[in-house]
Amino acid sequence: DAGVIQSPRHEVTEMGQEVTLRCKPISGHDYLFWYRQTMMRGLELLIYFNNNVPIDDSGMPEDRFSAKMPNASFSTLKIQPSEPRDSAVYFCASSLLETQYFGPGTRLLVL
Amino acid sequence: AQKVTQAQTEISVVEKEDVTLDCVYETRDTTYYLFWYKQPPSGELVFLIRRNSFDEQNEISGRYSWNFQKSTSSFNFTITASQVVDSAVYFCALTLTQGGSEKLVFGKGTKLTVNP
Repeated sequence: DAGVIQSPRHEVTEMGQEVTLRCKPISGHDYLFWYRQTMMRGLELLIYFNNNVPIDDSGMPEDRFSAKMPNASFSTLKIQPSEPRDSAVYFCASSLLETQYFGPGTRLLVL
Repeated sequence: AQKVTQAQTEISVVEKEDVTLDCVYETRDTTYYLFWYKQPPSGELVFLIRRNSFDEQNEISGRYSWNFQKSTSSFNFTITASQVVDSAVYFCALTLTQGGSEKLVFGKGTKLTVNP
């Protein structure tokens, strides 16, 4: 079975542009998580969903960030407008029974 | 509040040495899970092991072994006969099962470098 799939793997954009990150969880998993990893702050949980419903978005840094999960096999994390401080690796993870499996990450650079 | 402490920021060993990565956790919950993840230089996060709070049996998987001790709130990870491919950042994490939360609380990671 395929693991968690994320796209794009790398994204370079200019400040002010909209960025959309995509995630396909492992089939059958009922939880989906979005994390951000930076050297300064480590791994931060941004938001997570259960059965496509957002459960906790307390980690979303500000209104420029939004996440959706329109169905069980797809989620997006959108940043609009992007800023240089959003540069980080963004991970998506999914789980069924407590264990989270991570995607390969999207490395975002905002110039 | 829940917390995971990995006191060793970086460890450097020579190939074939044994190395232990420490993990100490804090929680008031009686039911919880502990995890170890590996992040190699390529960047992905790889799940290694899960242990629930009611199972204190140590586990061995090849050169990897884990020592869970509730009395000291520790979940240490030992690599026997380390290899260069073991070089990575290793994260210990804690999750809760009470209240329906599925959040993971991560330690800050220990960077292991295995030199040839």
